[in-house]
Amino acid sequence: GAVVSQHPSWVICKSGTSVKIECRSLDFQATTMFWYRQFPKQSLMLMATSNEGSKATYEQGVEKDKFLINHASLTLSTLTVTSAHPEDSSFYICSARGEPRYNSPLHFGNGTRLTVT
Amino acid sequence: AQSVAQPEDQVNVAEGNPLTVKCTYSVSGNPYPFWYVQYPNRGLQFLLKYITGDNLVKGSYGFEAEFNKSQTSFHLKKPSALVSDSALYFCAVSANTGNQFYFGTGTSLTVIP
Repeated sequence: GAVVSQHPSWVICKSGTSVKIECRSLDFQATTMFWYRQFPKQSLMLMATSNEGSKATYEQGVEKDKFLINHASLTLSTLTVTSAHPEDSSFYICSARGEPRYNSPLHFGNGTRLTVT
Repeated sequence: AQSVAQPEDQVNVAEGNPLTVKCTYSVSGNPYPFWYVQYPNRGLQFLLKYITGDNLVKGSYGFEAEFNKSQTSFHLKKPSALVSDSALYFCAVSANTGNQFYFGTGTSLTVIP
């Protein structure tokens, strides 16, 4: 149980274009999802907390106009990287808690490798 | 400030030997520590979590973790390492004071044949 599906697994786009990444909870409802960014051989950096039916909460230093998050349903959150630039190239991972309890683990998607040329 | 420390960036161990990956934390409220494993170009996979009252927690793939309340540690252990255990391991802590998880910086484990 508690499967999170993330799509696409990898994407290559040209500088200036926008890319949308989808994160779905397949067998549970997720009122909250988390979006992370990971640089090579580094830890996860929390970008934003996505809340179903309301605005996302962005971490300090993350441009909300550049990284648009939409959590339109209890099973889907999307991250759109707008006007992508090479420095946005990274590994993006979404996650959600299977149950709304403090000792409930996060379940992660398999990540999206974004390369901006 | 909330923090999770994994003091070793890299741990090397011979196949068949026991392994330990260390984690200590400083989190307000009641902490709930977890361990995750990440293989290249994949998301994080849940390994195990602290269960209240159990100082030694058993998880997936033969891994276990030792909880020490006074030292605020949750070290990951395995009695006999396999080459396939080579991966990146993350310690994470949740608390009952918010919705966030706090992650360590990760430890790269290499099991040498």
